[in-house]
Amino acid sequence: AQTVTQSQPEMSVQEAETVTLSCTYDTSENNYYLFWYKQPPSRQMILVIRQEAYKQQNATENRFSVNFQKAAKSFSLKISDSQLGDTAMYFCAFGRAETSGSRLTFGEGTQLTVNP
Amino acid sequence: DVKVTQSSRYLVKRTGEKVFLECVQDMDHENMFWYRQDPGLGLRLIYFSYDVKMKEKGDIPEGYSVSREKKERFSLILESASTNQTSMYLCASSLTFGEQYFGPGTRLTVT
Repeated sequence: AQTVTQSQPEMSVQEAETVTLSCTYDTSENNYYLFWYKQPPSRQMILVIRQEAYKQQNATENRFSVNFQKAAKSFSLKISDSQLGDTAMYFCAFGRAETSGSRLTFGEGTQLTVNP
Repeated sequence: DVKVTQSSRYLVKRTGEKVFLECVQDMDHENMFWYRQDPGLGLRLIYFSYDVKMKEKGDIPEGYSVSREKKERFSLILESASTNQTSMYLCASSLTFGEQYFGPGTRLTVT
C-alpha cells in the first residue's frame, strides 16, 4: 500500500517571499502520478500541480513548481512570490496509473499562512 | 470546467438518523469517490465507484454505504448516524486515472 507523509503540519511565510512544502511517499510502483492540492478557507479543493513519474522534468505552473526526486521518493512544492490568497491547507497526493478505478492517497496536509 | 456539486454545505442530524449525502458531476467521469476529512488525518477514502452500480470499499467503509444508479450521481448513506461520523465529507470525480475534481464539501454534525 502507498503512504504519503507531510511532515510540516503548519508553515508561515511573509508576502512576496518563497516557501517550500515537503512531501515524501512510499511505493513499489514505477508508473504513477503525484499531485498538490490546495484547500482555501472556502473548502473547495483545487488542483495546483501534477507530476507524472515517468517525466524527469519538474512540473511548473506560474508561481508554483515542484522538486520531484524519484529515487528519494520526495515531491516538494515551491511557491514563489507568495500572495495572501495562497493561505490554505495544502495536500500532497499519490495516484497509480491504472486503467480504471484509480484512487488517490493523500498526506495529512500542511496549513500555510501568508502574512502581510 | 468540471463541476462537482454536493447537496448540502452544512447538515445537522441526530444520532440514529439515516443520512443521505448526494453528489453530482457533469463531466461524464467514470470514477466517483467519497472522502471524509478530519484535522490531522488528511482525506480518507470511504468508498469509490468506477462504473454505474459498481462500488469498492476504501480505507474506512464501516458505518457507510453508497449507491450509484446513474453515472453522474453518487450517494453516500449513513444507515444510523453516530457522533463519531461528525466530519467534513468530500465528493470527487475523475476519468480513468489521474487528477480528481472535488465538490465544495458537506460539513455534517451528528448530535
